[in-house]
Amino acid sequence: GESVGLHLPTLSVQEGDNSIINCAYSNSASDYFIWYKQESGKGPQFIIDIRSNMDKRQGQRVTVLLNKTVKHLSLQIAATQPGDSAVYFCAEKLTFGGGTRVLVKP
Amino acid sequence: EAQVTQNPRYLITVTGKKLTVTCSQNMNHEYMSWYRQDPGLGLRQIYYSMNVEVTDKGDVPEGYKVSRKEKRNFPLILESPSPNQTSLYFCASSSGLEFYNEQFFGPGTRLTVL
Repeated sequence: GESVGLHLPTLSVQEGDNSIINCAYSNSASDYFIWYKQESGKGPQFIIDIRSNMDKRQGQRVTVLLNKTVKHLSLQIAATQPGDSAVYFCAEKLTFGGGTRVLVKP
Repeated sequence: EAQVTQNPRYLITVTGKKLTVTCSQNMNHEYMSWYRQDPGLGLRQIYYSMNVEVTDKGDVPEGYKVSRKEKRNFPLILESPSPNQTSLYFCASSSGLEFYNEQFFGPGTRLTVL
């Protein structure tokens, strides 16, 4: 079956640095990916999405890169802030990965 | 305010005692779903509904039931809860039938089955 997985369960980053969260998927036919942010005690919240006909998509301080050749996508957060501390999930349509916890150090 | 609400937020119960977790959305969304979240496993879909009176199994439907009698409500029913159903549950809704529509999640229900 389909699977989506993140590479690291925890990422510690210094405030102001850039964060990169990686995710791999197994189904080469996958055509739509979403990144969610989940803060403590809350439900996941949509951050950004990307379709398979794109390699890159930018939002406010976030960029998602999709490499279909190696079935890998990443979420980059520029100038990480304390408010970015959360668990981040990549999802292929409705299938979620295990999540990466981002800890922002002051 | 557009939102998805769930009740209760926290529940401790005992094995075999039937329970219902309610979910309601005020965005007139057609698509609703239930997920459970367990450490290291991400979110796994339990059931989903494309529209009123239309429900389908997700990845982990065993031990759960749902109903969709009204567009806004999508309750999750555990007829005979067991300890392995201890988890954090999320309800979600989206506007369309395509997967390209953003899902809005509720705040979660933490269930403990003793």
